[in-house]
Amino acid sequence: GEDVEQSLFLSVREGDSSVINCTYTDSSSTYLYWYKQEPGAGLQLLTYIFSNMDMKQDQRLTVLLNKKDKHLSLRIADTQTGDSAIYFCAEITTGANNLFFGTGTRLTVIP
Amino acid sequence: ETGVTQSPTHLIKTRGQQVTLRCSSQSGHNTVSWYQQALGQGPQFIFQYYREEENGRGNFPPRFSGLQFPNYSSELNVNALELDDSALYLCASSFTGEQFFGPGTRLTVL
Repeated sequence: GEDVEQSLFLSVREGDSSVINCTYTDSSSTYLYWYKQEPGAGLQLLTYIFSNMDMKQDQRLTVLLNKKDKHLSLRIADTQTGDSAIYFCAEITTGANNLFFGTGTRLTVIP
Repeated sequence: ETGVTQSPTHLIKTRGQQVTLRCSSQSGHNTVSWYQQALGQGPQFIFQYYREEENGRGNFPPRFSGLQFPNYSSELNVNALELDDSALYLCASSFTGEQFFGPGTRLTVL
């Protein structure tokens, strides 16, 4: 079955880069997503990558996918205090119609 | 364009009661998925509705049931509530893949 793992906590200083990592087990992943959740709020889609891509850049966000190692990362450049939130990686696998989420990484940005 | 909305925002019930949560999908979206997010966890898939039919279900017991209406809005019903049902319930609507989430309903079971 699917298993998506993330480290629980990450602290960075304002202005530094943040790198949030995710590993997954199901090799039939088709799309991989990064969502942001602020306190008391729903999920905001940040970016996604198709499984045949290695990298995707979107303004301050860079997604790297190592399909061989089943490793996904999200880099946030010039991290701001407004980036403090929980970040979830999620996958959709071939033939499935639902997202399978990791446990989330709580990012704390120190001013 | 109106996003995904959910009601109510918060709800408190006691064990054994029944609850109905509501979700209005984003305009043009014909698919609604429901997720349960327990405290400190990632969301877990409950089920999905496509054009008023259930289109996939996660590992949840039959006391979790749902409906989708002709306007593609949806309800999640939970019978015989248990303490472990306390969670944030999220719905997401989609048309061709990308899922847009509502703000959630926080259910507390006492």
